[in-house]
Amino acid sequence: GDSVTQMEGPVTLSEEAFLTINCTYTATGYPSLFWYVQYPGEGLQLLLKATKADDKGSNKGFEATYRKETTSFHLEKGSVQVSDSAVYFCALSDRRAGNQFYFGTGTSLTVIP
Amino acid sequence: NAGVTQTPKFQVLKTGQSMTLQCAQDMNHNSMYWYRQDPGMGLRLIYYSASEGTTDKGEVPNGYNVSRLNKREFSLRLESAAPSQTSVYFCASSEAPGGGQETQYFGPGTRLLVL
Repeated sequence: GDSVTQMEGPVTLSEEAFLTINCTYTATGYPSLFWYVQYPGEGLQLLLKATKADDKGSNKGFEATYRKETTSFHLEKGSVQVSDSAVYFCALSDRRAGNQFYFGTGTSLTVIP
Repeated sequence: NAGVTQTPKFQVLKTGQSMTLQCAQDMNHNSMYWYRQDPGMGLRLIYYSASEGTTDKGEVPNGYNVSRLNKREFSLRLESAAPSQTSVYFCASSEAPGGGQETQYFGPGTRLLVL
């Protein structure tokens, strides 16, 4: 079945450091891929998405490229800020699976000044 | 435009008690979902409603029931709460599948503690 495997945390970085959070997926069809962010005490918010191979999603300085050959969708940011501290979830939506969402376990990021 | 709203925000129950979690969306979305979030487990789908009048089981439906009251509202009911149902519950909605419109929008969550 469909699944998402996400880099385990927690991750602690200094401000302005480079961020990578790894995400790989397994899907029966051609899924859409997402990164969601959850700030403390809040619900999940869409950060970025990509709907087909080689698409790059980007938002707020974060980027992720849909790599079909490696079944990956790694999240990157060149220079993190304290305000980026949150939990990040990789997810996929597979139309062949009734458009259900499958989430990774989440990666907690703490950015220190 | 409130998006997805959930009530209550926090609830404490005793084992065996029942309660209903309410969810409403004002984005005219066709599909709605209920998830639970547990430490180290990510989000797991409990039930979903692809469109008004339909509901289907997700990954962890046992102990729960749902009602799609109308296009806006989707409630989750615990008939006899158990400590294993202590969790944070999120409601989400999305437009109908297809055309890259599958983004789900989440409510702020309901924290449930079952003693």
